[in-house]
Amino acid sequence: NAGVTQTPKFQVLKTGQSMTLQCAQDMNHNSMYWYRQDPGMGLRLIYYSASEGTTDKGEVPNGYNVSRLNKREFSLRLESAAPSQTSVYFCASSAGTGYEQYFGPGTRLTVT
Amino acid sequence: DAKTTQPTSMDCAEGRAANLPCNHSTISGNEYVYWYRQIHSQGPQYIIHGLKNNETNEMASLIITEDRKSSTLILPHATLRDTAVYYCIALNSGGSNYKLTFGKGTLLTVNP
Repeated sequence: NAGVTQTPKFQVLKTGQSMTLQCAQDMNHNSMYWYRQDPGMGLRLIYYSASEGTTDKGEVPNGYNVSRLNKREFSLRLESAAPSQTSVYFCASSAGTGYEQYFGPGTRLTVT
Repeated sequence: DAKTTQPTSMDCAEGRAANLPCNHSTISGNEYVYWYRQIHSQGPQYIIHGLKNNETNEMASLIITEDRKSSTLILPHATLRDTAVYYCIALNSGGSNYKLTFGKGTLLTVNP
């Protein structure tokens, strides 16, 4: 039982490049989330998926897109990376919205 | 969500109980008290939550006062691995409240 897994762990991109962050959970959870965390700041919700087949914007969605591929997987795509997107990205899942969330280990992204 | 107040930092000796307080004087009747922690460079980790009864799991115990205006998270036998920032949050459980907002939290340092 791996919980929530994320790939890659680290990534360096040049401005304008694109990439997809992958997230998978094996807890049969309905809801999944993408957060970013900048130094000295708290978590900020980018997008979430309350259930398979649905996605909704969080508080900082600009510059990102998401895909809920199936119940297990929720990916985050940066179409044209910008230095302001340098951050640590966390994926989380929960049984449903409003229930405790379980987090992955994070992806440390640097955009130069 | 009700505002929570926690001490900025605390120290604890290894092997001793760590008691982390949280004030939530404006908590409403349907808000649960949740505790998460974040160990340096790792994803946030759910610890425990409760409404009004004391709760215990394999990680910790949660003691909520009868008036629900404050609570204490107890790590019964703290280890060096418990050094982390601990966050107390008041949330409606099972509803549409999906966005976790961490405040400053308490930095618990467990000393050898």
